[in-house]
Amino acid sequence: KAGVTQTPRYLIKTRGQQVTLSCSPISGHRSVSWYQQTPGQGLQFLFEYFSETQRNKGNFPGRFSGRQFSNSRSEMNVSTLELGDSALYLCASSLKGAQGALGTDTQYFGPGTRLTVL
Amino acid sequence: GQQLNQSPQSMFIQEGEDVSMNCTSSSIFNTWLWYKQDPGEGPVLLIALYKAGELTSNGRLTAQFGITRKDSFLNISASIPSDVGIYFCAGYDRGSTLGRLYFGRGTQLTVWP
Repeated sequence: KAGVTQTPRYLIKTRGQQVTLSCSPISGHRSVSWYQQTPGQGLQFLFEYFSETQRNKGNFPGRFSGRQFSNSRSEMNVSTLELGDSALYLCASSLKGAQGALGTDTQYFGPGTRLTVL
Repeated sequence: GQQLNQSPQSMFIQEGEDVSMNCTSSSIFNTWLWYKQDPGEGPVLLIALYKAGELTSNGRLTAQFGITRKDSFLNISASIPSDVGIYFCAGYDRGSTLGRLYFGRGTQLTVWP
């Protein structure tokens, strides 16, 4: 079974631009979570989607948004980029993302998108 | 938010040595996960723990879910150069809202041949 895929792998943008990142979950997984990883802050939760609905959101400004499509693929968008948005953006998928049957909330990560803002 | 304390921050060991790292939380966790991350890549799941007291092995890796539900450890036996990387603990706490994992800050492992 194919793993989580993310595109593009690398992006270079300038301040003020916007960017859209894409994530395709493992087949059959319905929950997609997004994280930002920086050396200073570590892994920080952005948001989670399940069945096209955002169920949970971290403490990021409204410039960070996302959506999920009916095939469970997800996108995240960052508008008006700032230098501090430079980071590795990771998405992770799980079967349900809920604490139901054992293992259904275990998250599997994609390779990430490295965003550099100049 | 939830704080996970992972230690040590870094380890420098010789090939063949055993390694131990641990993670503690301020609240009860329902699930503990251990990941390894190589530079420029996403975290790869090593071991998942779902029950208090559970001890699980994956090759040379062994992890345990603490009885108090507030801690977990990961052991690596007979380390080899390809064990180099950053190891993260992560988990869901009892009051966690859906889809959100909490992470430790990672243990950077360096293995000398």
